[in-house]
Parts: sequence; C-alpha cells; structure tokens
Amino acid sequence: DAEITQSPRHKITETGRQVTLACHQTWNHNNMFWYRQDLGHGLRLIHYSYGVHDTNKGEVSDGYSVSRSNTEDLPLTLESAASSQTSVYFCASGPASSYNEQFFGPGTRLTVL
Amino acid sequence: GESVGLHLPTLSVQEGDNSIINCAYSNSASDYFIWYKQESGKGPQFIIDIRSNMDKRQGQRVTVLLNKTVKHLSLQIAATQPGDSAVYFCAETSDNTDKLIFGTGTRLQVFP
Repeated sequence: DAEITQSPRHKITETGRQVTLACHQTWNHNNMFWYRQDLGHGLRLIHYSYGVHDTNKGEVSDGYSVSRSNTEDLPLTLESAASSQTSVYFCASGPASSYNEQFFGPGTRLTVL
Repeated sequence: GESVGLHLPTLSVQEGDNSIINCAYSNSASDYFIWYKQESGKGPQFIIDIRSNMDKRQGQRVTVLLNKTVKHLSLQIAATQPGDSAVYFCAETSDNTDKLIFGTGTRLQVFP
C-alpha cells in the first residue's frame, strides 16, 4: 500500500548542530509539505514543493531548508539547530490536482538541547 | 493576516451522544474547508471537506456545515464513540493560494 513515512520518529540534538529529517512518500504525489506543530499554534507551514527541483518558503521558513531531487523525498534540514526549533514536525503530500487533499506522515519529535 | 480559529479548546461528551465542534474563519475569500482528526502520536487524518458553494456535506457519521454569512464551520459527529477521541482541526484554503491554514485544534474527549 502507498504510504508516507518520516524518520527518525524521535531525535535529540544539541544547539548548533545540523539536523536532517527525512520524508518519503510512495503515492507519486507532486506536492509535498513540511509543518511544525506547537501547542497553541496548530500546524504551521515551513516549506513546500510542487515537484522535482521546486521549493517554496512557508510561514515559518527561517532556519530551515528543503530540497527536492526526486518525487518521493523532501528532506528538511535545520542548518544550525536552535532550542526554538524543538517541536513535532509533520510531512504531508498530495496530488497536484487537489491542493487541499494532504496526507500526513506520523511525525518526528525533535528536541534541541 | 487571515486566520482560522476554534471556539472551544476542549469538548467532553458521553459515548453515544452527538458532538459538535465549531470553527470560525476570517478570510471571506476561502473556498475550501477541511476537517482533520489527529489521534495522539499520529499525524492529522483527513475527515471531510466542503466547498464554499455548499452549506452542508455528509459523510459516514460526520456532517460538516458551512455558514458563509457568519464565516462559521462546524463538524458534527453522530453517536460519538471512544475512537473519536482526538484533536480536531479545521483548515481553510482558497483559489489564490494552495496552502492550508490550520486552526489551533479542539480536543474531543469521549466518556463511557
């Protein structure tokens, strides 16, 4: 069955380190999204992509970057992790024909000490 | 900027009762609304959506109502079950943006 996976599911890192969170989908969706979820803020969009080599900034993109070298993967990189980036991160994907339909991964809980 | 909000952060209901979760939105240009369910430790799951040219849409045990006059969206769950316990998010989007704007969520607790 097609699915969307994230790894790792839990990560603890130190301030200043580079961290990469993986997102992989097997639906062949063009659209992929990264969100962070914090209490009191709901889901906030970090970056998104509409296809290979396409990336766009979302609402809270500072300190994050993404790359899209193939359809299946959209890794999220924290160049220099900060304590303010402690959060739960969700990746989502959706078909190009239906921008509102997004399927979410199980999430990655990141703690920056 | 525009935002999507919820009136009640926590809703407690007895098993078998009907639940109503409310959401207010501020962007009158939004033309697509979605309800998501998020269980503990999992990602949000699509429940039901509605276009702005409709005022009601029904699914299995769920109904979404849209009142564009007062910019209000609600999710009704019939015969609420323990498995319905989760956080529910409304989200909006529009033709001039293909990004979803999420509300902060309402926690639904179902008691036996």
